[in-house]
Amino acid sequence: NAGVTQTPKFQVLKTGQSMTLQCAQDMNHEYMSWYRQDPGMGLRLIHYSVGAGITDQGEVPNGYNVSRSTTEDFPLRLLSAAPSQTSVYFCASIELSSLEAFFGQGTRLTVV
Amino acid sequence: RKEVEQDPGPFNVPEGATVAFNCTYSNSASQSFFWYRQDCRKEPKLLMSVYSSGNEDGRFTAQLNRASQYISLLIRDSKLSDSATYLCVVNENNDMRFGAGTRLTVKP
Repeated sequence: NAGVTQTPKFQVLKTGQSMTLQCAQDMNHEYMSWYRQDPGMGLRLIHYSVGAGITDQGEVPNGYNVSRSTTEDFPLRLLSAAPSQTSVYFCASIELSSLEAFFGQGTRLTVV
Repeated sequence: RKEVEQDPGPFNVPEGATVAFNCTYSNSASQSFFWYRQDCRKEPKLLMSVYSSGNEDGRFTAQLNRASQYISLLIRDSKLSDSATYLCVVNENNDMRFGAGTRLTVKP
C-alpha cells in the first residue's frame, strides 16, 4: 500500500515552459486535491476533485489545469510556467469518513 | 484577515517543557478541526483530530472553543522528536483550510 505517490520531487523550469506533476493514490479515495505551500502562507488549494470526471477550482487555480480520468490519478498541469509559481506542491487524497488527508511527498518547483 | 491564523513562532523550549499552540478561525460554520505535523521538507501528516469535548492522545491534548472560534494543542513533557511545524486545519464541507503553521524546536 503506497498511499499517495507524487512525482517528480524536484523540478526546475524556464519561464513559459509547461509540465505535468503526477499524483496517484491506491486507497480508492474519491476526493483528491492539489495544494501549493509558500513561506508564511500555509497550504492553499489549487484544484480539487470529488470523483472521476469531476474537477473544480480552489483558492488559487490560475495557471493550472487538472483532470481526473480515473479514481487513482490526478495530474496537475502548469500551462506556461511563471516565477510566481515557484513553490512546493502537494497532492492529497482525503478519506471522507474521517476527513484525514494523506499527502504525497511534495514537489519543489523552481521557475527561472 | 486569514481564515485560519496561527502564531508562526518559533517556539524554542527545553526537553520536558509544556508548550501550547493556539489557532483561530474565521468561519463559524466550520465543522471539523485537526492538527497536522510537518517535518522539515516533508509532507504534512495527521497528528490528531479535535473534538468538541476536547481529546487527548498521550502527551498531546487538543481543545476546541466554538464560541471564541479557536483550537489549541498542548504538548506535555516535550521530546526532541516533537520538533516540527504544527499546522492547524479547519474543514467546512470538505474544503480544508490550513494555517501557516507554528514552528516548534525542542532543545536538549
